[in-house]
Amino acid sequence: EAGVAQSPRYKIIEKRQSVAFWCNPISGHATLYWYQQILGQGPKLLIQFQNNGVVDDSQLPKDRFSAERLKGVDSTLKIQPAKLEDSAVYLCASIRAGGGAGELFFGEGSRLTVL
Amino acid sequence: KNEVEQSPQNLTAQEGEFITINCSYSVGISALHWLQQHPGGGIVSLFMLSSGKKKHGRLIATINIQEKHSSLHITASHPRDSAVYICAGNTGNQFYFGTGTSLTVIP
Repeated sequence: EAGVAQSPRYKIIEKRQSVAFWCNPISGHATLYWYQQILGQGPKLLIQFQNNGVVDDSQLPKDRFSAERLKGVDSTLKIQPAKLEDSAVYLCASIRAGGGAGELFFGEGSRLTVL
Repeated sequence: KNEVEQSPQNLTAQEGEFITINCSYSVGISALHWLQQHPGGGIVSLFMLSSGKKKHGRLIATINIQEKHSSLHITASHPRDSAVYICAGNTGNQFYFGTGTSLTVIP
């Protein structure tokens, strides 16, 4: 079974530029998460999808962050314009379960550095 | 205050030592997860448990539902165990993460 795929692994941009991250979850996994992880902290939820619908985006800074999962499979997270404090690792994760507990599978993460 | 608290925040051990990382949670959860993150690497799920104890190789995870507490034990620690260990609880599809315990095992 292929794991959660993310790209790019690393990205360096200047502030006010834009960046996009891509995630392809494990096949058949209905729930997809985007997390932001700042060094020394646990993952912070940005957005949760159930198939192609948004379940929770309450912590997504919507003035600059956007995400979509149009066909209920892969997903894109965009930041425009980026700020220095957006420097972090962006983690994509997925679980199979639609409404219950399940093992959480993470991608390798996309490390963003904003200069 | 975090819904999930871990201790210690940092831990250094000599190779071969028995290690314990603790996790307490304040919300009702369906399951408790222990995750491992190597430097520069992704996060890997080690255990998912809702009661009792699970063992995988040198790793043992326990949970006490009444006390809302879980522990991760590593027996005969090895330098390759050096990583950040994250405790997380979930209610349905909502996850609560601890801030992690950074473990360094010295040869």
